[in-house]
Amino acid sequence: KNEVEQSPQNLTAQEGEFITINCSYSVGISALHWLQQHPGGGIVSLFMLSSGKKKHGRLIATINIQEKHSSLHITASHPRDSAVYICATGFGGSQGNLIFGKGTKLSVKP
Amino acid sequence: GAGVSQTPSNKVTEKGKYVELRCDPISGHTALYWYRQSLGQGPEFLIYFQGTGAADDSGLPNDRFFAVRPEGSVSTLKIQRTERGDSAVYLCASSLGASGRRGELFFGEGSRLTVL
Repeated sequence: KNEVEQSPQNLTAQEGEFITINCSYSVGISALHWLQQHPGGGIVSLFMLSSGKKKHGRLIATINIQEKHSSLHITASHPRDSAVYICATGFGGSQGNLIFGKGTKLSVKP
Repeated sequence: GAGVSQTPSNKVTEKGKYVELRCDPISGHTALYWYRQSLGQGPEFLIYFQGTGAADDSGLPNDRFFAVRPEGSVSTLKIQRTERGDSAVYLCASSLGASGRRGELFFGEGSRLTVL
């Protein structure tokens, strides 16, 4: 069974700082998702990637298939980025059968 | 609708009762997923539908849990003889398809179930 580990568990940053959240997994995957969950529970999909790098605004996600590792970067962080960021991995046979990390709780102070 | 809609948003019930949770996916999305999230934990997969059929129900914890999607759109998650350990937020997501870019997930706000 795939194990998905995220680090750090909690992260506090000052507004404007560059932030990195890491995700490691143990078994080969077909896709990796980065999700954002705000207080109150709503989850938004940020990225779905299977190789390389994707960028959307101030967010960048990278994945290294050989090392079974992905990172989520936030440039010029802002208090509205405060949320829990969750990494999840999927397999080709059943893409919805995701294994989720426990999340990284990010707090960006003004 | 514009997004994935889940009802009820909150449900409080007593141990042993029957509960139904409803998910209305984004129109045209063929894939629908149910997940469960306990306090302080990441979500856990329960079941995945492709159209009307359950493509993968390996995450359902036991036979008290059942889900249907009879017309390939709205899905209902049914929990019989609820136990206190069933208390969690039940999340529904849908996607256009099941692979590649069509697999991008869109989540509902969740249904918070509390079993007293």
